[in-house]
Amino acid sequence: DSGVTQTPKHLITATGQRVTLRCSPRSGDLSVYWYQQSLDQGLQFLIQYYNGEERAKGNILERFSAQQFPDLHSELNLSSLELGDSALYFCASSVGEGVEDTQYFGPGTRLTVL
Amino acid sequence: AQTVTQSQPEMSVQEAETVTLSCTYDTSESDYYLFWYKQPPSRQMILVIRQEAYKQQNATENRFSVNFQKAAKSFSLKISDSQLGDAAMYFCALSNPYRDDKIIFGKGTRLHILP
Repeated sequence: DSGVTQTPKHLITATGQRVTLRCSPRSGDLSVYWYQQSLDQGLQFLIQYYNGEERAKGNILERFSAQQFPDLHSELNLSSLELGDSALYFCASSVGEGVEDTQYFGPGTRLTVL
Repeated sequence: AQTVTQSQPEMSVQEAETVTLSCTYDTSESDYYLFWYKQPPSRQMILVIRQEAYKQQNATENRFSVNFQKAAKSFSLKISDSQLGDAAMYFCALSNPYRDDKIIFGKGTRLHILP
């Protein structure tokens, strides 16, 4: 158990819908990262927040957005869902904002878009 | 663009034997970090080992060690005394603190351990 929690574990929805994935980092960690793992694209970095502020943006679609709240939990919002958005979404947390800090991954949320 | 290539989609090794997983990368940056992550059937991503590019000494973590060849841009993972619990997908990753694409993963190598 990494100490990072993600809810829900599984999500099934239809095309065109909007969903919200939630992540609670390990106690004391200020950074949250979001990743997407799909068969087509592999594992991709989406976005990073540090202490409530966006720090880095990777291959995140405009239909996707994220935020980190004052209690440091983070949410990833996916809208206008397409079949290709079906994937495993991970969040990870680390103490600092640097890449040298060990990232601890959550168990992931499996999103299925029908 | 930065790239990470894992040329072995699958590998098998006999229990207690040694196996080496290959990874090559490309980056124009001089300051970066390299990682190996393990993803067992549970799907949880677990950091196995990491290497700072400025360090010449190869990183070691118990049965796991790397062979970091900076000039050749190669970063292989050696697993000694393979155990059944080592069966997993292994991802090589390159991370650079100054780029927006902060971390890039390879496609992965699936490692099977034969009893």
